[in-house]
Amino acid sequence: NAGVTQTPKFRVLKTGQSMTLLCAQDMNHEYMYWYRQDPGMGLRLIHYSVGEGTTAKGEVPDGYNVSRLKKQNFLLGLESAAPSQTSVYFCASSAPAVEQFFGPGTRLTVL
Amino acid sequence: SQQGEEDPQALSIQEGENATMNCSYKTSINNLQWYRQNSGRGLVHLILIRSNEREKHSGRLRVTLDTSKKSSSLLITASRAADTASYFCATDAEAAGNKLTFGGGTRVLVKP
Repeated sequence: NAGVTQTPKFRVLKTGQSMTLLCAQDMNHEYMYWYRQDPGMGLRLIHYSVGEGTTAKGEVPDGYNVSRLKKQNFLLGLESAAPSQTSVYFCASSAPAVEQFFGPGTRLTVL
Repeated sequence: SQQGEEDPQALSIQEGENATMNCSYKTSINNLQWYRQNSGRGLVHLILIRSNEREKHSGRLRVTLDTSKKSSSLLITASRAADTASYFCATDAEAAGNKLTFGGGTRVLVKP
């Protein structure tokens, strides 16, 4: 099992550009999450999904969109990147009310 | 504001010593979880303790939960250099609906 995978691992964008981060899990988990982690801080929830076709806002959703068209995939989109979105992005998946499994992260720099 | 707050923010110990870090939270929880993050890597789950449990063990890890004080502690016994990492508590609050809220973490350095 690969667990949770994220692509790409690194990306540099210019202000105003758009991109999509892909998260995939092979554990048949219902729940998937996108977090961001800024230097020296904990994780903050951007968006999450409790099942295929459903998404919901987390703590810091502005500037991001998500889609969960397939149970195993959760996409995070940046419509118009801003320097404030420079961060490390983590995807996670879980069954309800148990531990979350995290991907290795995507390091994004917006110039 | 963060639901979980870790204390201390940083901890430096010698190999073989014990490391203790604490987590305080604000609202009623379903469970509290501890995660480890090595530098530049994703988070790895360590222990989950439910609101009706007071103590759990896993290898060299011991977690306690005091719901009356809204606090938890993580003890790493006989630390090793490989335990150098950041440790985060995360709460699954009753009002939050299966979402975890992470604290800012404790950075632990174990010197050989």
